[in-house]
Amino acid sequence: GAVVSQHPSRVICKSGTSVKIECRSLDFQATTMFWYRQFPKQSLMLMATSNEGSKATYEQGVEKDKFLINHASLTLSTLTVTSAHPEDSSFYICSAPGAPSGGADYEQYFGPGTRLTVT
Amino acid sequence: LAKTTQPISMDSYEGQEVNITCSHNNIATNDYITWYQQFPSQGPRFIIQGYKTKVTNEVASLFIPADRKSSTLSLPRVSLSDTAVYYCHVSSGGYNKLIFGAGTRLAVHP
Repeated sequence: GAVVSQHPSRVICKSGTSVKIECRSLDFQATTMFWYRQFPKQSLMLMATSNEGSKATYEQGVEKDKFLINHASLTLSTLTVTSAHPEDSSFYICSAPGAPSGGADYEQYFGPGTRLTVT
Repeated sequence: LAKTTQPISMDSYEGQEVNITCSHNNIATNDYITWYQQFPSQGPRFIIQGYKTKVTNEVASLFIPADRKSSTLSLPRVSLSDTAVYYCHVSSGGYNKLIFGAGTRLAVHP
């Protein structure tokens, strides 16, 4: 099946700094990618839809100036957490829709996630 | 987007069959039903997808009644490694965004 990678897998940064997380589709092209955030013991919360060549679409309540998304190519989307604070510490996951491997409809292929800790 | 309802948690023992039911009363005609599995500190992964009746693959079966207002994920003979959170999702087209429900936290005991 299709593979989505994320880098880094784990990052620790100081409060006030910015952190960039990369999401890559390794063996397929993704004009659309999705970014999620997940707090411990909670479900995934969709943050934004990343569109190649155009602006990202943010979910209600997600600050677009704080979570900058750039989808510069058909295989790469980046999420930059600007001026990070301890409350931004979370597990960030990306996904990209790809051709089905087990069903009839497109599937979402998820990255392995990035653990961000802001100190 | 169709809203889904699942049990928050379930417990089982190794070797047993586990059935997790998801309600999606507002499912649309074009919607598919997809189940994902998530282990701690990992991204979710696709388990199975169906539109109606029954679908079976190497890891699970998915049962969908005629009215499609619910679906049941069946895991045969679970093992400790099946301990995970299972999410049911309903949408028409994988390019649509996924709004996840709370999922079902399955704990398999020895």
